[in-house]
Parts: sequence; structure tokens; C-alpha cells
Amino acid sequence: GAVVSQHPSRVICKSGTSVKIECRSLDFQATTMFWYRQFPKKSLMLMATSNEGSKATYEQGVEKDKFLINHASLTLSTLTVTSAHPEDSSFYICSAKGDREEDTQYFGPGTRLTVL
Amino acid sequence: GDSVTQMEGPVTLSEEACLTINCTYTATGYPSLFWYVQYPGEGLQLLLKATKADDKGSNKGFEATYRKETTSFHLEKGSVQVSDSAVYFCALGGATNKLIFGTGTLLAVQP
Repeated sequence: GAVVSQHPSRVICKSGTSVKIECRSLDFQATTMFWYRQFPKKSLMLMATSNEGSKATYEQGVEKDKFLINHASLTLSTLTVTSAHPEDSSFYICSAKGDREEDTQYFGPGTRLTVL
Repeated sequence: GDSVTQMEGPVTLSEEACLTINCTYTATGYPSLFWYVQYPGEGLQLLLKATKADDKGSNKGFEATYRKETTSFHLEKGSVQVSDSAVYFCALGGATNKLIFGTGTLLAVQP
């Protein structure tokens, strides 16, 4: 099956710093990638949808200047949490999808961000 | 708007017991329906899916049937194992490519 990787798997940073999370599709071309945030014992909340070569579409209530998303190639998308604060601590998950309408989303293993 | 409702957990079962996790949905159009599983400390994995009414998705002994008349996609397994312990998410996928998830149901299987 399709494989999606994320790096890093865990990151701890100080308040005020920026953190970049990478999402890669390893064996298929991902025309669309999605970024989710998962709170403890809660469901996944879609943050934004990114298409290769174009600007990301953010969900209502998600600050685009705080969560910068870049989808520069068909196999790589990055999420940068700028000026991180403790309330940004969460589990961030990406997913990737091919260009056919029936393509399934394949999820990465997630990145645990802890902001001190 | 579109939404997914699934039964709250945790669900605690003994090994070899039958499992049903209820999932109902509200949607315009004809969505695809999915079950994803999240094992402890890991990301989501697609368990099974169905793309149209009356389709049955199945994988690893799990099954779910897309019931348009009851707007349901209940997950079932005849005999659970300890290794099935995980969080199970029902999800709906519409024309926008977005997935809408239920809140997840924690399954704990005891030996």
C-alpha cells in the first residue's frame, strides 16, 4: 500500500521558536496533502488542504500566518508552526492523496509537538 | 453540513467476543465511507472503505456495509483479538476530497 512518512516523529521546542514538520509520500505522487491536528482523546481536526504548486486552503479558525504550509513538489509538503506557544502542543498528522477522484487518503504516522 | 456520529467508548471486550461499533452519517450527495484504525502511538491506517450504497468493505476480519436507508456504516468483527485494541474512526469523504471524522471509539480487548 501507499506509504506516507513524517519527520520528525517528536519535537520539543521552546516557546517563541518555529518548528517545521515534513510530510512525504514515498511511493506515489500526492497531488493533494492534508494537515490535521489531533487533541488528546479527540478526533482529527482538518487544518488545511494543500495542492502541489498552489497556496494552501485553510479551514475556518486556523491562522494561516501561524501555520505555514508549503507543497513544493508532488512528494513533499511542510507545515511550519511559527512562534510556537504551549497551546500549539499537539499531535500533527498529514495525509496524502493521488490525483484520481477515487484515491484514498493515506496518513503519516504523526508528529508529537511539545512547546515548553 | 456533513457529519459523522459514532458511538462513544471505551468499548471493553474479552478476546473472541463479537464487536460492533456504530457509525451514522449525515451528508448531501453520495459520499464514500471509511473506517480508520489508530494503534497506540501511531498514525491512522485505512481499515476498510465503501464507495456506494450496499457496498461491503472488509479487511482483517472486520466488515462494514454502506446502508443508505439507515445512513449507517457500522463496523463489525466476529471474534476480536488483543491485537485489535486501538482507536477506530469512522469517516466520510465527499466531493471536496476532505475527510470528516467521527470522534473515535477506543476498543480495549482483554485476554
